[in-house]
Formats: sequence, structure tokens, C-alpha cells
Amino acid sequence: DTGVSQDPRHKITKRGQNVTFRCDPISEHNRLYWYRQTLGQGPEFLTYFQNEAQLEKSRLLSDRFSAERPKGSFSTLEIQRTEQGDSAMYLCASSFDTSGQETQYFGPGTRLLVL
Amino acid sequence: GDSVTQMEGPVTLSEEAFLTINCTYTATGYPSLFWYVQYPGEGLQLLLKATKADDKGSNKGFEATYRKETTSFHLEKGSVQVSDSAVYFCALSPPHAGGTSYGKLTFGQGTILTVHP
Repeated sequence: DTGVSQDPRHKITKRGQNVTFRCDPISEHNRLYWYRQTLGQGPEFLTYFQNEAQLEKSRLLSDRFSAERPKGSFSTLEIQRTEQGDSAMYLCASSFDTSGQETQYFGPGTRLLVL
Repeated sequence: GDSVTQMEGPVTLSEEAFLTINCTYTATGYPSLFWYVQYPGEGLQLLLKATKADDKGSNKGFEATYRKETTSFHLEKGSVQVSDSAVYFCALSPPHAGGTSYGKLTFGQGTILTVHP
């Protein structure tokens, strides 16, 4: 299976701890997105990478959040000093731009619970 | 800014009933429009899409037509099955503008569909 993978699938942490999530996109996809989905809502955009460059960050992404894609392949999303409000599903998606015919493929998500 | 509004759920139907899930959007220009589906315990999957006005996206018996005049992209299926039970999300991405735009998705809140035998 060559789809988007995310690790871990579930994470339970205590308030104030740091957590890091990993996303492995479909190989050769140059675009990578992070979204956050809370219960009963649609996903909300967090950040976007074109290859290794982070080109946009949502205002939802506070200073406690940082994302990287060091070699233009996998990406990590780190949350420092977690808060209960950070509890959500974190989704990664990847795509390959083909002159306006972009389709994003989503991973299974990482469900975070902050106690 | 861009926004997507879906009909409130949940929607409960009997097998073989006709399905409509309404979706309207607010955006500048001609965005691309999508329907994604999330089956229980699984990730988001693209169901269908349309990239310009009057285009019809279709897949697995589902259809949706891009209506610029009413800014809508309603999802329809003539005969639903129990296996269609899932959460359905309408979404849009900005119009392509040369090589500088990208497909940041704006989603609706989702509609839960339950189909009974």
C-alpha cells in the first residue's frame, strides 16, 4: 500500500507535555498539508509545504506548533506544552500539482487526547 | 474568506432511497469543488470532484454538478445502500492561478448519513 501514512495513530498525553507526529506522503508528491479536525467538524487547514518549503501557516497554528519537512519527503508536526484544547484528529494529506488538477490524498490521522 | 455550508445532519434513510446532501459555498472566482467521504474508522477519501462550472463529478453512483449561478454542489445518489453509511464532507480549493496557487481545502462541517436495511 503506497498511501499516506501517519504515526502514531493515537496519542494520549498530559497537559504541558510535548508531542510529535509524523506523516509519510505518497512518494513523489511534492505538496504536503496538515489539517486539524475536531469532533463534529470538518478538517481545518493548518499548514502547507511545497517540497521542503513551508509556504503558509494558518492563524490556528499558534507558536506552540511547529512543522517541518526537512528533505521534502516526510513531515513532522510538533506541539509544545500541550493544552486540552489541542485534543483533535490531526490529518496529513499529500498531492502532486498537475496544472490545476490537484487532488489531495489523506492519511488515516493521528488522534490526540490531552488529559 | 472562503466558506462551505452543508445541510445539517444526521440523515437517516432506508436502503434504495434517494439521497441529496446540499452544499453551498462562498469563494472568489471559480474554485474547485470536492466531496470527500469518511467511512467509520477510516480516513478521508475523495468521492468526486468538479473543477469548472457545469462540470458533473460522479463516482460509485454518486453525482454532483458545479452550479456557479447558485454557488452549489449538491451530492445525489439514486439508490443508497447500507454500505454508503458514512460522513460526507463538501470542500473547495482556490482557483488555479498559474504556478502560484495551491489546493488548500476549506471543508463544510460534514453530514452523517445512516442507511438502514
